[in-house]
Order: sequence, then C-alpha cells, then structure tokens
Amino acid sequence: QKEVEQDPGPLSVPEGAIVSLNCTYSNSAFQYFMWYRQYSRKGPELLMYTYSSGNKEDGRFTAQVDKSSKYISLFIRDSQPSDSATYLCAMSAGITGGGNKLTFGTGTQLKVEL
Amino acid sequence: DTAVSQTPKYLVTQMGNDKSIKCEQNLGHDTMYWYKQDSKKFLKIMFSYNNKELIINETVPNRFSPKSPDKAHLNLHINSLELGDSAVYFCASSGRLAGADTQYFGPGTRLTVL
Repeated sequence: QKEVEQDPGPLSVPEGAIVSLNCTYSNSAFQYFMWYRQYSRKGPELLMYTYSSGNKEDGRFTAQVDKSSKYISLFIRDSQPSDSATYLCAMSAGITGGGNKLTFGTGTQLKVEL
Repeated sequence: DTAVSQTPKYLVTQMGNDKSIKCEQNLGHDTMYWYKQDSKKFLKIMFSYNNKELIINETVPNRFSPKSPDKAHLNLHINSLELGDSAVYFCASSGRLAGADTQYFGPGTRLTVL
C-alpha cells in the first residue's frame, strides 16, 4: 500500500464547476500538507500549504485537512480552463535541517472544458 | 528571474553513456533536492543536500552521484545510463514557511536513454 493515495483521473469538468480533489494517507507522522499544480512539461508549483488539521482559503482555492480520517482535499471554485493541469498532493512530517522528505501522491489530471 | 533553474532541459543519449544535469537556485535556500518523475507522473525524492552536506539518499543506485559545490548549486551525475533511467528529473530547493520546509521546483530535465 502506498503511503499517499490519489485518484489519477482524468477528471473533466465544465467551466465554472466546483472541483474537489482528494488524497488519503497512512502515515500518522505527516503534519504538513501541500498541493502542487503541474502544467504539462513544467515543474510542480506550490499552490496551497496547510499545517495540521483545518481549512485554508486562498482566492478560489480551499485546502482542507482532516487528520483524524487521514484525508486531505483541495476545492477549486469557479473553475477555469487555465486550471487544467495535474494536481499533486504532498505531505511531510516536517523534519527540518535538510531531512524534510516530501511524499507525493500520483497526481490527479484535471481538465476544465469551455 | 528564474528561482530554480536546470540545464539542460532535454537530454537524449545512448545506453552506457555518462551525463550530468545542473541545478542552480537564487532563493538563498540552504536545502536542495533531486526528484525523479516517471512516465506515470509519480514524483519520488532521490537526494537532499543541506549546506553542501548529503542528508537524504533514497536507495538510489550508486550510478547516480549528486554533487553540491556550494549551497546554491546541486548537480546530478549519472554513470552508465540505462533505459530505465529515462524520466524527468526535477531539482528543488526549500525555505522555511511557518515551521516547515516548503519546496520550490525547477522546470525539469527530460532524459531519454536510447
């Protein structure tokens, strides 16, 4: 079983829809949770960052973490064609000093259609 | 200005050759990483360096040798290239964000071994 599970998709939605992307994980030591967006043939870019449980909102994006269920989500409101990309969840135990190992999900490919 | 840059962007070579990929970051970060992304988009850490010191080495074959001449540079040398080494290699660097290292990725080097 992988430490982080993520549905690879593809997920296709109409423009303006609310998108829900999710990851589950098995390692209780994870405390820091991130979402990265990766456009085709580009490097991953940090989208959202959350510590421990709770919600965080940034514009059209909301990240949720439920540590009791080992489940994290990213919601995208009013989705746009420019949101079409692969979304990768990542998490770590937060060990610093060079030992911070990010464990990634496999990524969900999202396509927002006109 | 590019925060994390890699050269070359594309690398096509024959099996058995030796090749190097270079990475530079201008973010002032102390920690740098190499990741490998396979054809299924799965991103896995290979190495991390903190202030030129190797911290993480994730069971990577010893044909792969990272070198950090200073904390702004982390190069990856690969000996005796094999078909299975074909992948996209990403360099990343990390800085502190609310108590944890947050990683910023370069654009990637697409390696094809023929």
